[in-house]
Amino acid sequence: EAGVAQSPRYKIIEKRQSVAFWCNPISGHATLYWYQQILGQGPKLLIQFQNNGVVDDSQLPKDRFSAERLKGVDSTLKIQPAKLEDSAVYLCASSFALGPYEQYFGPGTRLTVT
Amino acid sequence: KNEVEQSPQNLTAQEGEFITINCSYSVGISALHWLQQHPGGGIVSLFMLSSGKKKHGRLIATINIQEKHSSLHITASHPRDSAVYICAARGYNFNKFYFGSGTKLNVKP
Repeated sequence: EAGVAQSPRYKIIEKRQSVAFWCNPISGHATLYWYQQILGQGPKLLIQFQNNGVVDDSQLPKDRFSAERLKGVDSTLKIQPAKLEDSAVYLCASSFALGPYEQYFGPGTRLTVT
Repeated sequence: KNEVEQSPQNLTAQEGEFITINCSYSVGISALHWLQQHPGGGIVSLFMLSSGKKKHGRLIATINIQEKHSSLHITASHPRDSAVYICAARGYNFNKFYFGSGTKLNVKP
């Protein structure tokens, strides 16, 4: 079974530029999560989708971050414009559904904003 | 105050030692997850538990719902166990995860 795929793995941009990350969850998984993990900290949930609907985006900085999952499968997370403090690893995870199911994490995208 | 607190933040052990990592949480939960993150790597789920104890190889996870406390034990530790271990509490409605800041474990040969 293929795992959660993310791309790119690494990205370096200058502040005020835009960047997009892509995630393809495990086939059949309805729930998709985007997390931001700053060095030395635990992951912080940015947004959670159930199929193509948003379940929780309370911690998403909506003035600069956006995410979509139009067909309920893969998802993109965008930052526009980027700030220095956005430097982090962006993790995508998926689970079969809402409920007592395991989350499976992708390898992450390490973003450096200079 | 964080909803999930882990201790210690850093832990160095000699190969073969018995290791315990603690996790306390303040929210009502439906499940407690233990995750492992290797340097530069993604996150792997080790355990999901809502009561009692689970064992997988040299790893044991326990939870005490009344005390809102969980522990991860590693028996006969090995250098390949070196990683960051993260405790995550899943809220009652299954929607929200609360993550600890992680315990960085270094096992020396």
